[in-house]
Amino acid sequence: ETGVTQTPRHLVMGMTNKKSLKCEQHLGHNAMYWYKQSAKKPLELMFVYSLEERVENNSVPSRFSPECPNSSHLFLHLHTLQPEDSALYLCASSQGWTGLRAFFGQGTRLTVV
Amino acid sequence: GENVEQHPSTLSVQEGDSAVIKCTYSDSASNYFPWYKQELGKGPQLIIDIRSNVGEKKDQRIAVTLNKTAKHFSLHITETQPEDSAVYFCAAVDTGTASKLTFGTGTRLQVTL
Repeated sequence: ETGVTQTPRHLVMGMTNKKSLKCEQHLGHNAMYWYKQSAKKPLELMFVYSLEERVENNSVPSRFSPECPNSSHLFLHLHTLQPEDSALYLCASSQGWTGLRAFFGQGTRLTVV
Repeated sequence: GENVEQHPSTLSVQEGDSAVIKCTYSDSASNYFPWYKQELGKGPQLIIDIRSNVGEKKDQRIAVTLNKTAKHFSLHITETQPEDSAVYFCAAVDTGTASKLTFGTGTRLQVTL
């Protein structure tokens, strides 16, 4: 069982669709993150949740909506995305919300058509 | 905020040779510096990290050095093997504040036979 599990691994969606990405961590961490990874760009932090409370929202468009129902699960709800939103979306978790010894999931490769 | 620059963007070495990847950071308050390895189709994996109270840390064939005065840190891989081929990311953060991990743009390492 991997420490941080993301589903689905691949997702193709139209611009009018609504979909959700799921992340689950089995490490007992109290902070979870969503990152966006695009080609030739640094990892971009999108959201941080600490103890199920959102502590950071890095100016992410409202078409991305996170949800953290408990300290083990994190969702990213997607709606009316744009082609430029196509990227690898990575979930991570750590103990404490500064990213110390953060563990990443395998990512969801999202393609918006 | 923190800014992390990473060089080179690509690096090709022969099997058995050493590889060195360098990063510089801008925030003198940063005190935690992890290195991640990302293989194709996978999420980043923490391979080694160093805190600002030490100058060097080693784990088998991997070592990290930190120069706080110059604000740069480096990853050293000795006796490289084909399975070391991956993209490597450095990062920096000040764990004493509300700041988050800032990543470099990555180095693609290719180990050739």
